Amino acid sequence: QQQVKQSPQSLIVQKGGIPIINCAYENTAFDYFPWYQQFPGKGPALLIAIRPDVSEKKEGRFTISFNKSAKQFSLHIMDSQPGDSATYFCAASVHGNTPLVFGKGTRLSVIA
Amino acid sequence: NAGVTQTPKFRVLKTGQSMTLLCAQDMNHEYMYWYRQDPGMGLRLIHYSVGEGTTAKGEVPDGYNVSRLKKQNFLLGLESAAPSQTSVYFCASSQTSGPTDTQYFGPGTRLTVL
Repeated sequence: QQQVKQSPQSLIVQKGGIPIINCAYENTAFDYFPWYQQFPGKGPALLIAIRPDVSEKKEGRFTISFNKSAKQFSLHIMDSQPGDSATYFCAASVHGNTPLVFGKGTRLSVIA
Repeated sequence: NAGVTQTPKFRVLKTGQSMTLLCAQDMNHEYMYWYRQDPGMGLRLIHYSVGEGTTAKGEVPDGYNVSRLKKQNFLLGLESAAPSQTSVYFCASSQTSGPTDTQYFGPGTRLTVL
């Protein structure tokens, strides 16, 4: 079964908009939730990550919001730019125990 | 410091042929992984290794074999390629300890099986 469900599959926003990508999980043992960014023709790269002891983490224009009771977490991109156009993957793992489980990805297009 | 490198970048095989994909990392990481990426399916783990000489099955291991004879290398083998194995293959590596499990990915190998 799919352990991390990601939505939407694709997203188009205007430059300056705030795209939001959502992920939901079932395994309450998950304690590490990273987001990876992948540009066309490249391998994914870590963008930002959060642990369940905080509800929000911000790095530059990227923010993760985490809702432990709902078992959901989301990525917000403030003031989105065409250079943010990429595929974004959420993931989860039990730290130091199991490999990352990835969502199916969201293809984001930011149009000028 | 090259990070994670993959060889080859592209390959076309005929059904039934065999090949080996090579992954190398120079970060002295203990963990290494092989994923396949297909449209709409995300990244699916094929096999992984938690250290030299060890391997473990991931989500989609059938039709693939792996070996980790040296810490820096992780080989993915296809003994008898099938069209269903047409995909982009990514290798990744990570440290075993520390506050995060950051995986560092290679640039990928695009494999087409005819």
